[in-house]
Amino acid sequence: GAGVSQSPSNKVTEKGKDVELRCDPISGHTALYWYRQSLGQGLEFLIYFQGNSAPDKSGLPSDRFSAERTGGSVSTLTIQRTQQEDSAVYLCASSLGQVGYNEQFFGPGTRLTVL
Amino acid sequence: AQSVAQPEDQVNVAEGNPLTVKCTYSVSGNPYLFWYVQYPNRGLQFLLKYITGDNLVKGSYGFEAEFNKSQTSFHLKKPSALVSDSALYFCAVRDMVDSSYKLIFGSGTRLLVRP
Repeated sequence: GAGVSQSPSNKVTEKGKDVELRCDPISGHTALYWYRQSLGQGLEFLIYFQGNSAPDKSGLPSDRFSAERTGGSVSTLTIQRTQQEDSAVYLCASSLGQVGYNEQFFGPGTRLTVL
Repeated sequence: AQSVAQPEDQVNVAEGNPLTVKCTYSVSGNPYLFWYVQYPNRGLQFLLKYITGDNLVKGSYGFEAEFNKSQTSFHLKKPSALVSDSALYFCAVRDMVDSSYKLIFGSGTRLLVRP
């Protein structure tokens, strides 16, 4: 079946512009996560959605970052007034249910470059 | 605070030899532990996980990992390495007492298997 998809695969933007990154999780997965992978670094948690519960936003690095999940499926990560330090690969993942040991399935990522 | 350490930035082995990629963790409760692999320009792929039970966990592509509670380690192993195993490997942990289901990732270890 279809895996997690993300769009665009690459995004180049100018400093100060807003960007939107999209994630389509695996059908039936109620949990959705956003992570950021900077060059030479591990993965940094950003935000977590589970069903209709309030999201865990504890990993968002600043108030320029926000995310929505509409209808319990598609999610959009928005970065306002982008800065050069926002350049990274943004990875989305989804998993089954409200169980912490379910593995997360990752999308291919969106590579964001801020000039 | 939860944390994961992968002490080796890179591991070099010859094809056919056994390989070990090290991981240690720190959590306040009991851990769920995961290994993921990332091939160039691709998202993360799940390899294996430890939840409870047998300390030796078997996963995809012939990989296995051993959970050692006293040493707080979860090293990834394979009896005979293949050139195609060359990739970036990430260890991740989730603390069972953490109500958020986010994973904490290590910084990654690059595995290079030479012919």
